[in-house]
Amino acid sequence: GAGVSQSPSNKVTEKGKDVELRCDPISGHTALYWYRQRLGQGLEFLIYFQGNSAPDKSGLPSDRFSAERTGESVSTLTIQRTQQEDSAVYLCASSPTGVRGTEAFFGQGTRLTVV
Amino acid sequence: AQSVAQPEDQVNVAEGNPLTVKCTYSVSGNPYLFWYVQYPNRGLQFLLKYITGDNLVKGSYGFEAEFNKSQTSFHLKKPSALVSDSALYFCAVTMNSGYSTLTFGKGTMLLVSP
Repeated sequence: GAGVSQSPSNKVTEKGKDVELRCDPISGHTALYWYRQRLGQGLEFLIYFQGNSAPDKSGLPSDRFSAERTGESVSTLTIQRTQQEDSAVYLCASSPTGVRGTEAFFGQGTRLTVV
Repeated sequence: AQSVAQPEDQVNVAEGNPLTVKCTYSVSGNPYLFWYVQYPNRGLQFLLKYITGDNLVKGSYGFEAEFNKSQTSFHLKKPSALVSDSALYFCAVTMNSGYSTLTFGKGTMLLVSP
């Protein structure tokens, strides 16, 4: 597609429910990132996929968070047993390569609200 | 570890005046530095980057940034601000070795008044 696409754009869920967020990167981009943006705060790195390499999961805040990516295409971020502190905008980005210095292209994000 | 500091939560400037949005970084090794802009209800957009070479980097929409290694800074500048420049600006850093994950600052809201 023309850009990084994320769905849904907004999600309201009850505390304790599981949610799944989807990211469609730009076609051909090998690198994919997930970030979390809490209100009034910067972007918090969550996870990074590069081609078929093992993902860098060092930013995942707890074992309730997991992410998958099939090859160099779609990625899903799953949050189990959601908590109110999970409320944030979840941003996905992709990059043509994993080479440092290559800019990342961001989607518009999924705004998650846990009530 | 790598980190970025944006010391100002908000910068106010009148249209037509020069603007500066500050950024300092901390990395072990040579940094790659980026500026991104986030307009309301839109994703982050890349503005410019410093990799190597000339310390003054020019980017989109008339923005530029100066890499200062001794001060570990990468301030964003524009000679003449526009009301349409009002947005949230993020500085980011990555190291030139290891993973290519970007570490972002908390962001600075730029408000340009008519």
